Amino acid sequence: NAGVTQTPKFQVLKTGQSMTLQCAQDMNHEYMSWYRQDPGMGLRLIHYSVGAGITDQGEVPNGYNVSRSTTEDFPLRLLSAAPSQTSVYFCASNRVPYPTGELFFGEGSRLTVL
Amino acid sequence: TQLLEQSPQFLSIQEGENLTVYCNSSSVFSSLQWYRQEPGEGPVLLVTVVTGGEVKKLKRLTFQFGDARKDSSLHITAAQPGDTGLYLCAGGRNSGYALNFGKGTSLLVTP
Repeated sequence: NAGVTQTPKFQVLKTGQSMTLQCAQDMNHEYMSWYRQDPGMGLRLIHYSVGAGITDQGEVPNGYNVSRSTTEDFPLRLLSAAPSQTSVYFCASNRVPYPTGELFFGEGSRLTVL
Repeated sequence: TQLLEQSPQFLSIQEGENLTVYCNSSSVFSSLQWYRQEPGEGPVLLVTVVTGGEVKKLKRLTFQFGDARKDSSLHITAAQPGDTGLYLCAGGRNSGYALNFGKGTSLLVTP
């Protein structure tokens, strides 16, 4: 089973450029989320979705956009990249609702903004 | 605001030693989860504790949830190099979706 697949694994952007981080899961999970991980900061929630067509903001949503048109896909869009968005981004999905559901994470997308 | 404080931040020990990692908060959580993350990979769930005072064992790992559901600990007996990784605690509350993660404890076990 593929689980949660993120692409690309590595990306370098220039300030002001836009891009989309892709996330797909094949487990038919209703819940999906995006986190960023920075050194010494742990994982911080950017956006999440509780089902197709339903999204909401997390702790650090500014500069990011999401949509959920299908159960499988949850792309994260950077509208105008800034150096502060240099980070490792993780997509996660879960079947059981919060707060006890197990999060299944992708392998991460490492983004560098110059 | 960091709701979950983990200590220690770094831990380097030799194979065979015992260790304890702590996860503390001033907030009450419905559950606490422990994840382990290896370099270049996403976190993987080790355990979920939901009842105050609960103790769960996973081979050489023992997890405890505090009676007041504000803290948790992870104890590893006879650590092995394969235990090396970043250990993250994560707290869930019924209000909203926010799963709060601690900053993690980076563990290195040398042969």
